[in-house]
Formats: sequence, structure tokens, C-alpha cells
Amino acid sequence: GAGVSQSPSNKVTEKGKDVELRCDPISGHTALYWYRQRLGQGLEFLIYFQGNSAPDKSGLPSDRFSAERTGESVSTLTIQRTQQEDSAVYLCASSSVASQETQYFGPGTRLLVL
Amino acid sequence: AQSVAQPEDQVNVAEGNPLTVKCTYSVSGNPYLFWYVQYPNRGLQFLLKYITGDNLVKGSYGFEAEFNKSQTSFHLKKPSALVSDSALYFCAVRDMRTGGFKTIFGAGTRLFVKA
Repeated sequence: GAGVSQSPSNKVTEKGKDVELRCDPISGHTALYWYRQRLGQGLEFLIYFQGNSAPDKSGLPSDRFSAERTGESVSTLTIQRTQQEDSAVYLCASSSVASQETQYFGPGTRLLVL
Repeated sequence: AQSVAQPEDQVNVAEGNPLTVKCTYSVSGNPYLFWYVQYPNRGLQFLLKYITGDNLVKGSYGFEAEFNKSQTSFHLKKPSALVSDSALYFCAVRDMRTGGFKTIFGAGTRLFVKA
């Protein structure tokens, strides 16, 4: 079946603008994760959603970052008033109930803030 | 708090030689441990995981990893490296005691296999 998809694949924006990044998880996957990967660095956990439970937002770096998920479907990561340090690849992953430990990653959205 | 350390930024090995990519972790409870690989211009892919049971875990593409509780390590190994194994490798850990899904990734180790 289809894997995790993310859009847009690339986004260039000006400092101070808001951006929305979208993630479509694998159908039926209850858990969804967002990570940030700065150039040459590892993955930084941002947030995860598990079913209807309250999301774990402990990785969000500031109140400019927020994420929503409708049920067990699409998620949107919003960055308000973007800063140059927000430039990174934003990765989304999902996992199933049957194999909760294994995350399937999307191709990422490459964000460049000028 | 959970943490993962990958002490080597880069590992260089000749094709056909064995390879090891090191990982150590810190959790307050028992760990779930993972290795992921990121090939150039491709997404992150799952390689293998340790949850419980045998300390030696076998995964995709001939890779294996050994869980060592006393040394809090989970080194990735392969008996004979291929040029196509050249990629960025990430170790990751989840703390079973907290019961959550939060996964912490290491900074990554770039493996370069020379023909």
C-alpha cells in the first residue's frame, strides 16, 4: 500500500511568515510522529499523536510550533512567524497498533526560511 | 531522561570487511532500541529493533545488532560491507518504563564503504 506522504516536498518562505506542513500517514496507523532534522544533524523529536489520546508535545521547541491531527488521519504542523533557525527537513512517521515500535517515515518537507 | 550517543560521526571501511557502528544509550527503565538508515535522497528506513529476548537481533540487508545491558550499548554490525551500505545510520531508543511512544534518535553516523 501507499507509504507516508508529506507535502509540500519543498517550501521556501520569508522570515516572519507562517507555514503549514502536511502529513498523510499510512492508512490505519494510529500513531503519528513529527521530527525535525537540521542540516548534518540527527532527528529531533517534536510531537506524537496516538489515537484519541492527548498528544505528547514535549519536543516542540517554542510556542510558535503547533500540530493538529484529525482522528487517525492527516496531521498538520504549523510554524508561526518563521525564523531562519527553523530551516530544516521536517519528517513525519507513523506506526500501527500491531507493530507500534516500528516507524515508517515519509520523504520529509524541506523548509528554507530566508 | 532518555538519550542516545553515537560517538563516531563517520566510519570508513573497505568493501568486504566487517563493519561496526557504535551506539550507547541511557534510559531509566528497560529500553526499546532501533537502528534506522537514511540513504542519499531517500527517506529514513527501519533496519532492526530490540524489544526483548535474544540479545543478538538480525535485520534487513544482512545487518545485525547486539544488545549489551551491562555496557548499555546496541552496536550495529555486518560481517561483510558493501559499497551500497554507504549511508547515514541512526540509533534510537524508547524508554519502556514511561510507556510512551517518544523515541529519541542519535545524531547519526555516516558509513562510507570504499570499493
